[in-house]
Amino acid sequence: KQEVTQIPAALSVPEGENLVLNCSFTDSAIYNLQWFRQDPGKGLTSLLLIQSSQREQTSGRLNASLDKSSGRSTLYIAASQPGDSATYLCAVISDDYKLSFGAGTTVTVRA
Amino acid sequence: GAGVSQSPSNKVTEKGKDVELRCDPISGHTALYWYRQSLGQGLEFLIYFQGNSAPDKSGLPSDRFSAERTGGSVSTLTIQRTQQEDSAVYLCASSSVAYNEQFFGPGTRLTVL
Repeated sequence: KQEVTQIPAALSVPEGENLVLNCSFTDSAIYNLQWFRQDPGKGLTSLLLIQSSQREQTSGRLNASLDKSSGRSTLYIAASQPGDSATYLCAVISDDYKLSFGAGTTVTVRA
Repeated sequence: GAGVSQSPSNKVTEKGKDVELRCDPISGHTALYWYRQSLGQGLEFLIYFQGNSAPDKSGLPSDRFSAERTGGSVSTLTIQRTQQEDSAVYLCASSSVAYNEQFFGPGTRLTVL
């Protein structure tokens, strides 16, 4: 059974600092990895999808890397802003087509 | 519509009653998923539909839970004889095909009194 872990559980940084969020998974036989953002009381917003054949994916200030062999992904958010405050979730799709989620990292960016 | 929609957004019911939750996926998406997010717990998979194939029901927590997808589009998740532990946010997602990026709806917050 795929286990997904996100460290740290919470992170507080001053505005302008770069954010580094970590995700690890136990079974490297994945099809893709997806990063989401969740605001309090809201649904999930997809940020980035990395296919298993890719090493990284970029969108604006966001960059996600994937190392399948070591079972790790890292989400980098450059020059953080207060609007980046949210919970960030990592999820992997294995051969059963279902997303297995981590517990998330709750980020607070202080103005 | 442009995104995944779910209704109702909130549902309060009494223990023992049945509830139906609805999901409208993105038009043309063949894969549809239901997940549950309970307070203090992570997101857990419930059921998955892909085209006309038999659904993967391996995540349903008990036989009180069932789901159907009519015409390959709209899906309904039904919970019979609701219990307090069923209280959670129920999230629906769709993707163009299996493995691809999943897009989530806003969820239905279910409260069982």
